[in-house]
Amino acid sequence: NAGVTQTPKFQVLKTGQSMTLQCAQDMNHEYMSWYRQDPGMGLRLIHYSVGAGITDQGEVPNGYNVSRSTTEDFPLRLLSAAPSQTSVYFCASSRAGVGVQETQYFGPGTRLLVL
Amino acid sequence: GDSVTQMEGPVTLSEEAFLTINCTYTATGYPSLFWYVQYPGEGLQLLLKATKADDKGSNKGFEATYRKETTSFHLEKGSVQVSDSAVYFCALGDGGSNYKLTFGKGTLLTVNP
Repeated sequence: NAGVTQTPKFQVLKTGQSMTLQCAQDMNHEYMSWYRQDPGMGLRLIHYSVGAGITDQGEVPNGYNVSRSTTEDFPLRLLSAAPSQTSVYFCASSRAGVGVQETQYFGPGTRLLVL
Repeated sequence: GDSVTQMEGPVTLSEEAFLTINCTYTATGYPSLFWYVQYPGEGLQLLLKATKADDKGSNKGFEATYRKETTSFHLEKGSVQVSDSAVYFCALGDGGSNYKLTFGKGTLLTVNP
């Protein structure tokens, strides 16, 4: 198993540009999520999905869109990048949610710089 | 809302020293508690977890006990190694919604030989 994979590893954007961060998992996990990691802030949930066709907002969803057309993939879209979106982005997956007995598996991260 | 507070770093220790990283939480209901570790340049990995009061999670020589009376989940290791140098995150799994992990800000640990 490759686990959770993310592409690209690093990206530089100009303000106003759009891009899609890719996330894929091969563990047949129903639950997938996106976090951003900022210095001194820990990780904050952006969006999550409990299964194909179902997505919902986390605590910092503004400026980001997601879709879940397959169980394996959960792309994160930045429609118009802003410097405030400079961050490291992590995708995670698990069998079902984050509750009792469930382990979140994290990807290696995408480092995004918006100029 | 739910929150996690962990001791601020950075923490610098010599090899074989004792490690404690404090973590306290605020939550409604009965959350699950986790410690995740992030090695340089990598994503987060689950280190250990506890799902109910008085449970002790353990892995790779690290331990943490879920203390409901003090709302704490402190991470300990008796003898750290250089390879333990990483950022450690305490996290809380929302027992109500089941869809959100609340993380602390992370503690950078550096172990010198």
